[in-house]
Amino acid sequence: SQTIHQWPATLVQPVGSPLSLECTVEGTSNPNLYWYRQAAGRGLQLLFYSVGIGQISSEVPQNLSASRPQDRQFILSSKKLLLSDSGFYLCATGTSGGSSYNEQFFGPGTRLTVL
Amino acid sequence: GIQVEQSPPDLILQEGANSTLRCNFSDSVNNLQWFHQNPWGQLINLFYIPSGTKQNGRLSATTVATERYSLLYISSSQTTDSGVYFCAVSMEYGNKLVFGAGTILRVKS
Repeated sequence: SQTIHQWPATLVQPVGSPLSLECTVEGTSNPNLYWYRQAAGRGLQLLFYSVGIGQISSEVPQNLSASRPQDRQFILSSKKLLLSDSGFYLCATGTSGGSSYNEQFFGPGTRLTVL
Repeated sequence: GIQVEQSPPDLILQEGANSTLRCNFSDSVNNLQWFHQNPWGQLINLFYIPSGTKQNGRLSATTVATERYSLLYISSSQTTDSGVYFCAVSMEYGNKLVFGAGTILRVKS
């Protein structure tokens, strides 16, 4: 079975500072990878997804970027954080390719507070 | 894009009671998942159920894809069932999940 690691677990950053959140996956190869954000309560919103190394699709224009330097590593970054970037960030994996089985699994998340 | 509506938004139960949570979606989907978010924020997979019926212990789920809804049944509720229940769907094999707003469940002892 696959395991998803995220770090840090919590982060408090000042406005204007850079950001780097990391997600790594074990127990699977060539997965689809996703970054979601949950702001203040409910509802997760997809930010980025990747179907392979170096392949990133952005769903929402914003202050953030993503990179996938290795098959099972997904990084979320910002050059200058905004107050509105505060939230709970979750990394997820799913089956790649044309498989009809598409169950998605989530990591433990990073809670980011921008002050 | 596809819309996902969950009801009720909030639900308070006495321990031992049964409940039904509903998820309506606005278009055909090829993936539907139910999640339970625990107090620490972890999303726990309950069901992968794009169609049909599944059961896992006290929980069961039914998706009627042709009528664009899914139901999550919780029987004999326990305080540990408290949390937020999310329905999420995808229309494509890229599997970009669209989440509903969730149902907040509180089970009182």
